[in-house]
This record gives sequence, structure tokens and C-alpha cells, in this order.
Amino acid sequence: DTGVSQDPRHKITKRGQNVTFRCDPISEHNRLYWYRQTLGQGPEFLTYFQNEAQLEKSRLLSDRFSAERPKGSFSTLEIQRTEQGDSAMYLCASSPRWGGELFFGEGSRLTVL
Amino acid sequence: ELKVEQNPLFLSMQEGKNYTIYCNYSTTSDRLYWYRQDPGKSLESLFVLLSNGAVKQEGRLMASLDTKARLSTLHITAAVHDLSATYFCAVGTLQGGSEKLVFGKGTKLTVNP
Repeated sequence: DTGVSQDPRHKITKRGQNVTFRCDPISEHNRLYWYRQTLGQGPEFLTYFQNEAQLEKSRLLSDRFSAERPKGSFSTLEIQRTEQGDSAMYLCASSPRWGGELFFGEGSRLTVL
Repeated sequence: ELKVEQNPLFLSMQEGKNYTIYCNYSTTSDRLYWYRQDPGKSLESLFVLLSNGAVKQEGRLMASLDTKARLSTLHITAAVHDLSATYFCAVGTLQGGSEKLVFGKGTKLTVNP
């Protein structure tokens, strides 16, 4: 068990470009979450998958954001037409059940110039 | 809307001393988590509290939950430098089976020799 892994760890992009982040959860975990964290703040919920179904989305997730989890395994988070306000750490977490621990990955840090 | 408030936001203490971090939340919840985050790192799960009166202890840290008061505490006993980190509480919402966690802003703890 290697834990939750995220790729890339760092991404610098110019405003207007598209970026995609990948998350590989712990293999037996059916629940997968995306959170966003800005400097000095706690993480903010973005979206949640149970297996391949996206069951919950935050209002923070504008139409420029899309997340997928094909086949209920890894997940991708794509941001189209990035803006400077998108600069943040994007954290992925997985959990085996309701009320269980959420195991967070190391995060993908996005800087939009 | 669920709001989570931690205090203090900054805590500087001497090694060997005891202190308590407080986490208040605004609406009924059924689960509360405590996480630790070191600078530039991801979140490490410390405790999951699922019932009123729950108390969990690990080393010098002890967490408790009072669902009637909507309050959780993280008590630090005889602090050591290695406990220096930012501590977050996160509260689960009860809306329609939501899996969303709402995080506090975090308490940045510095333990001085």
C-alpha cells in the first residue's frame, strides 16, 4: 500500500491554459475526494466520487472545472482556461467507508502566472 | 450552512507545557476529524470522532467531542518540539447524505525549547 499519489506535484502555467491533475487512491478505497487549499486556509471541498459516480460537487467547482473517475480507480481533475485565482494546492483523498479516515495525497500545487 | 471555527489560530508554547485547541461548529454533525499538517506537506489523520462523549488519545494528544455543545477539543500534554505543526479540525455535514467535510482555518502551533 503506497498511499494516495498525485501527479504532477507542481504545475506552473500561464493564464488561459488548461491543466489536468491525476490522483491514484489507495486501491481498496471506493470513496475519492478532491479538496483545494490556499495559503493559510483549511482545505475546501470540491467534489466526491463513490466508485465511478460523481455524487457531490461544490459550488466552488465552476464550469471550468471537471472531474472524472473512470472505472472507479484513478481520478482526474481538469481546469480549463485557468485564472490566477485558481492558484492553490489541489488535494486528493480516499476513504474506505463513511466515517472512515480520509487519507490525503501530497497534493498538486498549481501556480497560474 | 456549516461553519467551523478554531481557536486560537496561532499558539506559541514552551516545551513541557499543556494547552488546548478548541473547535466549535455551527450545526449538528455526526463526525469530526483532527488532522496535522507540516509546512509544505499534506494532511495526516490524527483522530476520527463519531459519537458524543468520544475521547481518543495518541501519545501527547487527546481529542474529545461534545456534540451537544458542538465542540471538540485537542489537548496537548507536556508539549515537545516535534508537535510543532498546523492542526485542523474538520466537521462532516448532515445534509442529505453529504460526504463533504468543512475544515477550520487551522491552529499553527509552535513549541519552543
